Amino acid sequence: KAGVTQTPRYLIKTRGQQVTLSCSPISGHRSVSWYQQTPGQGLQFLFEYFSETQRNKGNFPGRFSGRQFSNSRSEMNVSTLELGDSALYLCASSLSSPQDTQYFGPGTRLTVL
Amino acid sequence: EDQVTQSPEALRLQEGESSSLNCSYTVSGLRGLFWYRQDPGKGPEFLFTLYSAGEEKEKERLKATLTKKESFLHITAPKPEDSATYLCAVQAEDYKLSFGAGTTVTVRA
Repeated sequence: KAGVTQTPRYLIKTRGQQVTLSCSPISGHRSVSWYQQTPGQGLQFLFEYFSETQRNKGNFPGRFSGRQFSNSRSEMNVSTLELGDSALYLCASSLSSPQDTQYFGPGTRLTVL
Repeated sequence: EDQVTQSPEALRLQEGESSSLNCSYTVSGLRGLFWYRQDPGKGPEFLFTLYSAGEEKEKERLKATLTKKESFLHITAPKPEDSATYLCAVQAEDYKLSFGAGTTVTVRA
């Protein structure tokens, strides 16, 4: 079974731009969560989507948004990029229940110049 | 606020030298504690889920245990391929996952 895939794997943007990251979950998984990983803050939860609805949300500003499509694929958008948004963005998928184990993708490395 | 503290930050082991990693936590209504392994440049790889105090899980050279306040990941007779960062995460009653900073394990041949 194919794992979680994320595209693109690497991205370089400049301050003020916006970016969209994509995540395809494991087949049959209906929940997708997004995380930001930085050396200073570690892994931090952004939000979770299930059945095209945001089910849970972390403590990030409104510049960070996401959506989920009917095929469970998800996108994350960051607007008005700041230098501090440079990070590894990880997507994780799980079956359906919030308690189900989350399986992570390889991440998208975003660099903001 | 939920807190997860992992110690030590880094661990250097000789091949075959067993050791333990600690994950202490304070969380409102623990639903589950998760252990992940992360290699450089990759996403975390799931290892174990523990749900209640006293529970133990094993996989090859790894064994995870859980008490009411902490979890241990025991590495028995490690090999160089066990070198990685090990992450602990707790799921609170609101189902959010909070991760610790991780323990970076280096196993020398």
